[in-house]
Amino acid sequence: EAGVAQSPRYKIIEKRQSVAFWCNPISGHATLYWYQQILGQGPKLLIQFQNNGVVDDSQLPKDRFSAERLKGVDSTLKIQPAKLEDSAVYLCASGGGVQTQYFGPGTRLLVL
Amino acid sequence: GQQLNQSPQSMFIQEGEDVSMNCTSSSIFNTWLWYKQEPGEGPVLLIALYKAGELTSNGRLTAQFGITRKDSFLNISASIPSDVGIYFCAGQNIANSGYALNFGKGTSLLVTP
Repeated sequence: EAGVAQSPRYKIIEKRQSVAFWCNPISGHATLYWYQQILGQGPKLLIQFQNNGVVDDSQLPKDRFSAERLKGVDSTLKIQPAKLEDSAVYLCASGGGVQTQYFGPGTRLLVL
Repeated sequence: GQQLNQSPQSMFIQEGEDVSMNCTSSSIFNTWLWYKQEPGEGPVLLIALYKAGELTSNGRLTAQFGITRKDSFLNISASIPSDVGIYFCAGQNIANSGYALNFGKGTSLLVTP
């Protein structure tokens, strides 16, 4: 079974630029999550989708972050404009059951 | 999200030794999960625990869901160099915060041959 796919794997941008990340979950998984992992920390949830609807986006900085999952399969996360403190690994996870989540390899973002 | 305290922060051991790490929370969870993350990769699920008191093994790994539902531990027996990585605990309480996972800060494990 193919795992969660993410691209790009690495991205370097300057502050105030825009960036977008893409995620393709495990086939058949209805739930998709975006997490932010700052160096030395555990992942922190940004947004959760159930099919194409948002379940929880309470920790998403909505003034600069947006995410969509239009067809209930793959998803994009966008940052516009980026700040220095957005430098982190952005992890996508998907879940088939109600509890376990499987993570992709992440996108490493460096904002200069 | 709820705060999880994971300890120790790091461990430096010799191959063959047993390892124990734990995670505590001020709030109760319905599910405890243990993940391992290697450099440049996402977290990989090791063990999932769904019931208070549950003890589950996966090869040389054993994890338990604390009876109070506020803690969990992970043991690794007879460690080998490929056990190197960062181990994260994560708790889930669907009634309070849905399916979102609350992660600890991780235990960094180094194993010398």
